[in-house]
This record gives sequence, structure tokens and C-alpha cells, in this order.
Amino acid sequence: DTAVSQTPKYLVTQMGNDKSIKCEQNLGHDTMYWYKQDSKKFLKIMFSYNNKELIINETVPNRFSPKSPDKAHLNLHINSLELGDSAVYFCASSPSETGGYTEAFFGQGTRLTVV
Amino acid sequence: GNSVTQMEGPVTLSEEAFLTINCTYTATGYPSLFWYVQYPGEGLQLLLKATKADDKGSNKGFEATYRKETTSFHLEKGSVQVSDSAVYFCALSEAPSNTGKLIFGQGTTLQVKP
Repeated sequence: DTAVSQTPKYLVTQMGNDKSIKCEQNLGHDTMYWYKQDSKKFLKIMFSYNNKELIINETVPNRFSPKSPDKAHLNLHINSLELGDSAVYFCASSPSETGGYTEAFFGQGTRLTVV
Repeated sequence: GNSVTQMEGPVTLSEEAFLTINCTYTATGYPSLFWYVQYPGEGLQLLLKATKADDKGSNKGFEATYRKETTSFHLEKGSVQVSDSAVYFCALSEAPSNTGKLIFGQGTTLQVKP
């Protein structure tokens, strides 16, 4: 059973297109995230949702729009794709516990290539 | 702001060598500290964690101790194997905001040769 699953694993698309990446977790966590890993492997948070409510939006262009239909799903839609959007996008989830958060569980990543 | 700095890689070792990957952090409050590992073509997996000063996290022969006085969380392993070849990320979880947001270091690539 995959804990955090993302689809697709690979995505190649042309500049200007609109694309979506889907994420689902079956861990019962109430917080989900999107992270971006650039070509130098640096990881940076983009968004976080807690119980379908946006709680972190880290200076991401508004071409990126997350959507959380329920607490087990967090999708990422990207409009008007640019070359600089090429990266690996990771979905993650974590439980929120009294006193703070424990570790995050990551999906396998979606490698997005914009040509 | 909060940040994490790791030693630059790549680190190349022979099998059974001793491993140290340095990690230092800057943070307000009392963050939790983590080491994640990314094997080729895979996502990140939690390797170990420590949530307060002087805690030692350990897993699969790896260890790291939360040192508040030196703001460090160095990763060590006594005898590495070829299968340990991966990218290792040090990270902190901010406190007291408790959003669960992780701030990562730049990653250190480890290559272990037979």
C-alpha cells in the first residue's frame, strides 16, 4: 500500500500549456504539502493545507494553484507553464499532534519537464 | 530567517569507511531536526529525527545528536555500505509556529565504492 502517491511520475509538456499533478495519501494525516526540488536538488516548500485549508503559500507565482477537495487529496494545477517550472515536485503529508508536528511522509515525486 | 547548512558534496567513501555529514542550523525557538535520504529516482524517506536538545536519533546504523550549543545535527555512520549511496538532506521543522513546514539544507550526495 502506497502511503503518499502522486501521478503522473513523469510529465513532459510544452511551454504555455496547463497541467495538473495529483496527490493522495492514505495515512489519515490532516496536513499535506507541495515541495519543489530544483535541478541542484534543493527542496523548498510551496504550499501547505491543513484539513482543506491553505496555511502556507510561499511566494509562489499565481500560475500555481493548489486544490484540496478533501484532507486526503492535494492537487497542483499549473497554468501557462514556463521553462523555469521544470523540476521535481514532491507531495508530502504529516499528522498534526498536540505540541507540534512530527515528520513528513513524501511521495515518489513528479518530474516535470517543460520544453 | 531559519536556515540549514550542510557540507558540500559529493562525498566519496570506500565501503566500511566512517561517515560524517555536517549540518548546522539557524532557528528561533526550538525546532525539531531531521535527516532525510533520497535514493536515486525515489522520494524522500525519513532516516532519523530529534525533537529536543541532546536527543540522539538513530536508524539503520546512522546517528545524529541535537546539539543546541553548537546548533548542529551531524550525521554519522560507523561503516558505510554501497547501498548507502544516496542524497542526504538535513532539515528543521520550525517552532513554535508548528505549521509542519520543513526547511532543508542543500543536500549532500554520498557515493560509496566497493
